[in-house]
Amino acid sequence: SQQGEEDPQALSIQEGENATMNCSYKTSINNLQWYRQNSGRGLVHLILIRSNEREKHSGRLRVTLDTSKKSSSLLITASRAADTASYFCATDPPTSGTYKYIFGTGTRLKVLA
Amino acid sequence: DAGVTQSPTHLIKTRGQQVTLRCSPKSGHDTVSWYQQALGQGPQFIFQYYEEEERQRGNFPDRFSGHQFPNYSSELNVNALLLGDSALYLCASSFKFRGNSPLHFGNGTRLTVT
Repeated sequence: SQQGEEDPQALSIQEGENATMNCSYKTSINNLQWYRQNSGRGLVHLILIRSNEREKHSGRLRVTLDTSKKSSSLLITASRAADTASYFCATDPPTSGTYKYIFGTGTRLKVLA
Repeated sequence: DAGVTQSPTHLIKTRGQQVTLRCSPKSGHDTVSWYQQALGQGPQFIFQYYEEEERQRGNFPDRFSGHQFPNYSSELNVNALLLGDSALYLCASSFKFRGNSPLHFGNGTRLTVT
């Protein structure tokens, strides 16, 4: 079963605009990660935020985490055509022991040039 | 520094057959996790291997089994293939004692069952 759900399922924006996608999860977590997947390929790690952190930045990426609402958001600023991909959140429930990551359903982002 | 490599890249099998997929982890990693990703869905956790033992398992039947070798490489075996097993199978490696380290993924094996 999926631990997380991303929202929206699909997003289409113009190049230069900001893209925001959200992730909701069900259980408490150790940390939350965001990954990108280009069509038919493996996932690439973008950013990790620990459960005791509220916000984190990496280049054009900004991630927030609200553990009280069991939700996270990923903001991509000044989007580029190369950002077109599917984005997934992944959580690591504290009971998993050896860091089993559970992925959400994904947001498919399309950036139009 | 080689990343995660998976073989083969594509595979076509018939219902009822058996398949073996292979994964070599990123250099320095000792833990391998396998995921199944159906078209348009997120990756689903199958199982994780560390020290040649299965440490965690997702909600997959016993038809799915695995192995990890002393050099940390891993195999995923699926018996009695069903049409529903058609998916992208992803291998991810990590270092066990760095709990906050990211997963490194291979590009996957695309399995088609006819």
